[in-house]
Amino acid sequence: EVQLLESGGGLVQPGGSLRLSCAASGFTFTDYAMTWVRQAPGKGLEWVSAISFSGGNERYYADSVRGRFTISRDNSRNTLYLQMDSLTAEDTAVYYCARATQGRFEWWGQGTLVTVSS
Amino acid sequence: EIVLTQSPATLSLSPGERATLSCRASQTISTTYVGWYQQRPGQAPRLLIYGVSSRATGIPDRFSGSGSGTDFTLTISRLEPEDFAVYYCQHFGGSPRHTFGQGTKLEIK
Repeated sequence: EVQLLESGGGLVQPGGSLRLSCAASGFTFTDYAMTWVRQAPGKGLEWVSAISFSGGNERYYADSVRGRFTISRDNSRNTLYLQMDSLTAEDTAVYYCARATQGRFEWWGQGTLVTVSS
Repeated sequence: EIVLTQSPATLSLSPGERATLSCRASQTISTTYVGWYQQRPGQAPRLLIYGVSSRATGIPDRFSGSGSGTDFTLTISRLEPEDFAVYYCQHFGGSPRHTFGQGTKLEIK
């Protein structure tokens, strides 16, 4: 069974940093691109970032996070990461990792909450 | 940049009724990369439909998708109690860039 388990969320001050992790199991991790999607409290879904199955230079970001967030993956650990720097209140959200196939998000984790507040 | 506009924002129906949800794109988009997701309260989204009309694994056949060009529709033929949720349309563009609509809340009347 496909499982995606996010961790690393929490409370951080404005300007701070946080690293999210997403542990994948139940499928061949290296066969799939992966992505992060976030949802601010009471709001809709916002795509954040994506990385190809191999990682490398194929990393993509939404305009709202480009230059502040870095996506990466460790295929030996079946784990996806999101390094978030220079956080602002607007980054407060539940962050979901998802497995991507041909532009669709087939499997989602349960999410991890990031709260940016002083 | 493509914008997806969903309507209505809220749809109030009773179990057993038919639901029709709309998603309009700001420009013509490829049907290959149009999808629909369901999100129940407190849960992660779930893929329902991809490629405009293909049902994801395990999705009941009362869910169907259609459309082309700029107008896309999710239809739920007979509403079950578990279908009352928020629904999002999504498009995968180039670069890549993914865009979601703002959502339609399907509530019990």
